[in-house]
Amino acid sequence: AQSVAQPEDQVNVAEGNPLTVKCTYSVSGNPYLFWYVQYPNRGLQFLLKYITGDNLVKGSYGFEAEFNKSQTSFHLKKPSALVSDSALYFCAVRDRGNTDKLIFGTGTRLQVFP
Amino acid sequence: SAVISQKPSRDICQRGTSLTIQCQVDSQVTMMFWYRQQPGQSLTLIATANQGSEATYESGFVIDKFPISRPNLTFSTLTVSNMSPEDSSIYLCSVRTGRETQYFGPGTRLLVL
Repeated sequence: AQSVAQPEDQVNVAEGNPLTVKCTYSVSGNPYLFWYVQYPNRGLQFLLKYITGDNLVKGSYGFEAEFNKSQTSFHLKKPSALVSDSALYFCAVRDRGNTDKLIFGTGTRLQVFP
Repeated sequence: SAVISQKPSRDICQRGTSLTIQCQVDSQVTMMFWYRQQPGQSLTLIATANQGSEATYESGFVIDKFPISRPNLTFSTLTVSNMSPEDSSIYLCSVRTGRETQYFGPGTRLLVL
């Protein structure tokens, strides 16, 4: 069975500092990996995805994520955080070729302080 | 990408009643899904809405409680039947387009009293 773990309920970072939101996954086959962001009273917005190819993927709003197969991780990063990045971030995985289901982690609340 | 709209955006309902949520997409899509996000929780897949056939439900969700229709490739409905306060959640429609990316609607915020 596929699963996603986001070990941190909340991440606090000062504006201008780099941020990392952690995600590890478990699938039986090859993964499709995604990051989504949810702002208060809003739906989920797609940030970026890893399908194949370069392990470093770039997405919206200056975010990037690195796929690490040996560590089964897909951490979200940004070199310089903005207060407006404060939101709830979800990592998600789909087991390529085995299922149509996208499974979500529990979410990490990012708080960027001025 | 896909533009997804949901109606209603929010509602307050009495226990024992039913609410039907509509999801409209601006393009034809193969895969449509319904998710639930309980307060302070992550997203849980309720079912996959199949065009022209019965929906495929996940463990813990049944058709009598969450009947789903999908009459064409751009529209689906989810009904929450015989509601109780435990059904208070955000219900999200989702579609898959192009190369594997899944997009989400704005959600329907349901409060059951």
